[in-house]
Amino acid sequence: ELKVEQNPLFLSMQEGKNYTIYCNYSTTSDRLYWYRQDPGKSLESLFVLLSNGAVKQEGRLMASLDTKARLSTLHITAAVHDLSATYFCAVDRHNFNKFYFGSGTKLNVKP
Amino acid sequence: ETGVTQSPTHLIKTRGQQVTLRCSSQSGHNTVSWYQQALGQGPQFIFQYYREEENGRGNFPPRFSGLQFPNYSSELNVNALELDDSALYLCASSLWGDSGANVLTFGAGSRLTVL
Repeated sequence: ELKVEQNPLFLSMQEGKNYTIYCNYSTTSDRLYWYRQDPGKSLESLFVLLSNGAVKQEGRLMASLDTKARLSTLHITAAVHDLSATYFCAVDRHNFNKFYFGSGTKLNVKP
Repeated sequence: ETGVTQSPTHLIKTRGQQVTLRCSSQSGHNTVSWYQQALGQGPQFIFQYYREEENGRGNFPPRFSGLQFPNYSSELNVNALELDDSALYLCASSLWGDSGANVLTFGAGSRLTVL
C-alpha cells in the first residue's frame, strides 16, 4: 500500500520567515497534489505536479516534485498570518483514481 | 458553476444505527469519491463511483456502501455504526478521462458523531 509521510506535522513560525514542508511517498507515482484545509472547512486544491522536476508557484507558496527521490516540497516565503492552515500532500497512482493523503502539516503563522 | 454540496453538515447517531450521507457533484464532473477524515488525520479513501458503478475501494468493510445516480449525485451509507466511524466524511468529484491531472473538488463535508 502506498504511504505518504509529511513533516513536520506542526509548524509554528513568525511572519516574514521562510520554511519548507516535506512530503515523501513510498512507491512510484507521477502525480502529486497539494491541498489546503482551513479549520472546519473543506480541502482546497493548491498545486498539481505532473512530472519530475515540476515547479509551481502561487503567491508566497512554491511546490516542487522530484519523482526519483519520491519527494515533494512546499516552500513558504515571507509567511503571513493568512497562510495559517493545514496543508496536505496527496499522491494518486496513474489512472487508479485513488488518492493517498499525508497526515497534514498544521501551520500557524504568528503576527 | 456550482461546487460540490453535501448534506447533512452535522449529525449524531448511536452505535448500531444506520446513516445516509448525500452529495451533489460539481457540474460537468462524472466521478465521485468518498473519503473519511478522522480528527487530526488526512482523508482516507473509501470508494469511488463512475457511471453508477463502484470503481475502486479502500480498506473499509462492506457495511460502507454507496450509490451514484444518473445525475452524478451520490450517497454514502454506513450500517451498524461503530464509535470509530465518528469522522468528517468528504465527498469529492472529478472528471474521469481528463488526460492530465485528476484534481478532486471537495465538498464541505458531513461531520458524523457516533455515541
